[in-house]
Amino acid sequence: DIQMTQSPSSLSASVGDRVTITCRASQSISVHLNWYQKKAGNAPKLLIYAASRLQSGVPSRFSGSGSGTHFTLTISGLQPEDFATYFCQQSSIVPLTFGGGTRLEI
Amino acid sequence: QVDLQESGPGLVKPSETLSLTCSVSGASISSDYWSWIRQPAGKGLEWIGRISTSGSPDYKPSLRDRVTISIDVFRNQFSLTLRSVTAADTAVYYCARDWFTMVGGLVNEAFDHWGQGSLVTVSA
Repeated sequence: DIQMTQSPSSLSASVGDRVTITCRASQSISVHLNWYQKKAGNAPKLLIYAASRLQSGVPSRFSGSGSGTHFTLTISGLQPEDFATYFCQQSSIVPLTFGGGTRLEI
Repeated sequence: QVDLQESGPGLVKPSETLSLTCSVSGASISSDYWSWIRQPAGKGLEWIGRISTSGSPDYKPSLRDRVTISIDVFRNQFSLTLRSVTAADTAVYYCARDWFTMVGGLVNEAFDHWGQGSLVTVSA
């Protein structure tokens, strides 16, 4: 299985900040990397697909980059509704696997 | 508007079988791949497996001996069966649609629509 490692596991920030979350794959996955936002009690929401493509309806303050084994999710100008947990997920090889999550908190 | 809704018992006894169904509306279940994903309390997301009408299901290897995912085209539903459950199988179970896109000549797969989740507790 491809292991996905996210860092940091938790992150404190303030409204208006710019934050970056990193996801590393245990082997190259090209750009087969997706990012999700999850709030307690809700289903995950797809934010970024194929490493850098913004899902329809997602605010442009979210952006993704990377390829191979190193990927980043950046949120520019944090809003109150952005405080949540973020997961990366690889779709290069079955079994599909997720990172452990990054909890973004005030 | 694609909508998915999980249903099934919220409590299962150890060693018994967990069964969940995902009802899909706004999309034909024949047109896509469909996955089950779970999240134990306080832990990360774990993909269980996926199914389509065009091939055999794919399962996470560590669960393959205990899991079956099936599809019902007429009811536009797909189902999860997990046998011989233990407390470690306690989790919120989600169904989701696998969305395939072409990006730069590559096919990317992501989960673009999810159910609200169904909490299943394994306890005597």
